Amino acid sequence: IVLTQSPGTLSLSPGERATLSCRASQTVSSNYLAWYQQKPGQAPRLLIYGISSRAAGIPDRFSGSGSGTDFTLTISRLDPEDFAVYFCQQYGNARLTFGGGTKVEIK
Amino acid sequence: QVQLVQSGAEVKKPGDSVKISCKASGYTFNRYFIHWVRQAPGQGLEWLGLINPSGGSTTYAQKFQGRVTMTRDTSTSTVYMELSSLTSEDTALYYCARVGSPKYYYYMDVWGKGTTVIVSS
Repeated sequence: IVLTQSPGTLSLSPGERATLSCRASQTVSSNYLAWYQQKPGQAPRLLIYGISSRAAGIPDRFSGSGSGTDFTLTISRLDPEDFAVYFCQQYGNARLTFGGGTKVEIK
Repeated sequence: QVQLVQSGAEVKKPGDSVKISCKASGYTFNRYFIHWVRQAPGQGLEWLGLINPSGGSTTYAQKFQGRVTMTRDTSTSTVYMELSSLTSEDTALYYCARVGSPKYYYYMDVWGKGTTVIVSS
């Protein structure tokens, strides 16, 4: 399954709402869809799993939604620490793929 | 605390093999699968495969079949990833990552810091 993330770059100001899209080339199995945040020089950090479940310690300004082939990560109000790259990821038929990423940058 | 500690950076020549280790601590090693993911400089994330530390069974990404081998040593709670026939395209940061649940192994909640592999003649 190919995951296509859009936009490639999102330029926003702190306090604004960010909406990131992840579109799959086929239906994602059993809601096996996750989102990660990655900052420069750091390993990815799990934000969301099972489409909409927040990982431990993740602030509630992060939310995930969607079904089938279309998924969204929403950051309700951008905090300065949220400017980073975000990846979606799916697993199905013994194959795991990541989207190409969306960079959220300060406008 | 749950931790994955990876081995140090490697510099290899084209055609060589590299073997990276990932030592787990802070949890029951056998209960959680481990994935391997790599990231080329300035690029996205690419999955290599996963290993079940309990029985040692593996699933490899099709792209790396025949070139990657994942093993584990339960006595030291360590998993290994060996990649052979290296080319410059294998230059990347290699991560091990633990799955988030013993039941569901599709997402990763704890990551190692990564091991840099440079392939250069």
